[in-house]
Amino acid sequence: SQTIHQWPATLVQPVGSPLSLECTVEGTSNPNLYWYRQAAGRGLQLLFYSVGIGQISSEVPQNLSASRPQDRQFILSSKKLLLSDSGFYLCAWSQLARDTQYFGPGTRLTVL
Amino acid sequence: ILNVEQSPQSLHVQEGDSTNFTCSFPSSNFYALHWYRWETAKSPEALFVMTLNGDEKKKGRISATLNTKEGYSYLYIKGSQPEDSATYLCASSGGSYIPTFGRGTSLIVHP
Repeated sequence: SQTIHQWPATLVQPVGSPLSLECTVEGTSNPNLYWYRQAAGRGLQLLFYSVGIGQISSEVPQNLSASRPQDRQFILSSKKLLLSDSGFYLCAWSQLARDTQYFGPGTRLTVL
Repeated sequence: ILNVEQSPQSLHVQEGDSTNFTCSFPSSNFYALHWYRWETAKSPEALFVMTLNGDEKKKGRISATLNTKEGYSYLYIKGSQPEDSATYLCASSGGSYIPTFGRGTSLIVHP
């Protein structure tokens, strides 16, 4: 069966510090991968999605970036965090773009 | 980007009440409609995926219907229980296939 992992679970970072969140999927190959964010009091916002290694599409221009160095690994990064980057970050996968998405446990990021 | 709307934004009901909420989506280039349940401090879990006009899906006390011609889906919960308290998200995928999520309906069931 398929499993999706995300880490860390919680993170408190100062403004201006770098960020690296990692997501890995087990039990499937060539999945579509997604990064979402839920800011306080807001809905689920799609940040990036990837249909294959090295293929990243950005939905919202900002100071975040994503990379997919391996088939089942998806990384969300920032060189300098902003206060507005605080939120709950979710990684998800689906077999095809139109299919049901399966979400990881999430990372709660607080930028102070 | 699709515009997916959910209503109401929040809902408070008493245990035992039946309830329903709505997801509206553009009917053109429709491919699939997904419902997810999102409990506090957890990650969203898939409830249903529907693709055909008139589809109805059921899982225990929860059911959903789909009208692709007019662009809406209803989620029904029969005899709500406190453990049904969660945010219910819908997502619609159109021509680009990547689903767009609504902002969700927050359901609180009071004992």
